Amino acid sequence: EDQVTQSPEALRLQEGESSSLNCSYTVSGLRGLFWYRQDPGKGPEFLFTLYSAGEEKEKERLKATLTKKESFLHITAPKPEDSATYLCAVQGSGAGSYQLTFGKGTKLSVIP
Amino acid sequence: GAGVSQSPSNKVTEKGKDVELRCDPISGHTALYWYRQSLGQGLEFLIYFQGNSAPDKSGLPSDRFSAERTGGSVSTLTIQRTQQEDSAVYLCASTKSTQETQYFGPGTRLLVL
Repeated sequence: EDQVTQSPEALRLQEGESSSLNCSYTVSGLRGLFWYRQDPGKGPEFLFTLYSAGEEKEKERLKATLTKKESFLHITAPKPEDSATYLCAVQGSGAGSYQLTFGKGTKLSVIP
Repeated sequence: GAGVSQSPSNKVTEKGKDVELRCDPISGHTALYWYRQSLGQGLEFLIYFQGNSAPDKSGLPSDRFSAERTGGSVSTLTIQRTQQEDSAVYLCASTKSTQETQYFGPGTRLLVL
């Protein structure tokens, strides 16, 4: 059974204070690891897909990295508008490979 | 439309009533997924459609839940005899194929009183 654990559950940062969110996973044959952003009252918004260990992707102040056991979402010099819940999900190659298995998310608050 | 749309946005119902939730996927996307997000929990997979067929219904939490998709487009998730534990956000996603990124709709917030 695929599993995803995200830490911390909540993170408060001062504007400009860089940090990282962690996503640890176990999966039978990784097809993809996904990061989404979810604002209150809205659906998840796609950020990145990572496919293999060593891969990195960047978008504005966000950078996602992947190893064989975990992924990090690095946030550089965050702004208040980066406040949201960040979700990590994996897609495996075993039974039910069409579905995503999600972690519970990290709620990020960036204080001006 | 440009994205996945869902209706209604919010639904308040009484315990024991039936509800229908609708999802309209991105045009051209043949795969459609339903997830449930309960307070403090991660998204839970419910069911997926490839075209009009649902190869795997094992994620549905009970036989009160059913879903259909007609014309390879719009899907309806029906919950019969709703219970308070059914209160959650129901999210729909779609893709061109099962190997591509899933794009989510805004969700339907269901509250069962």
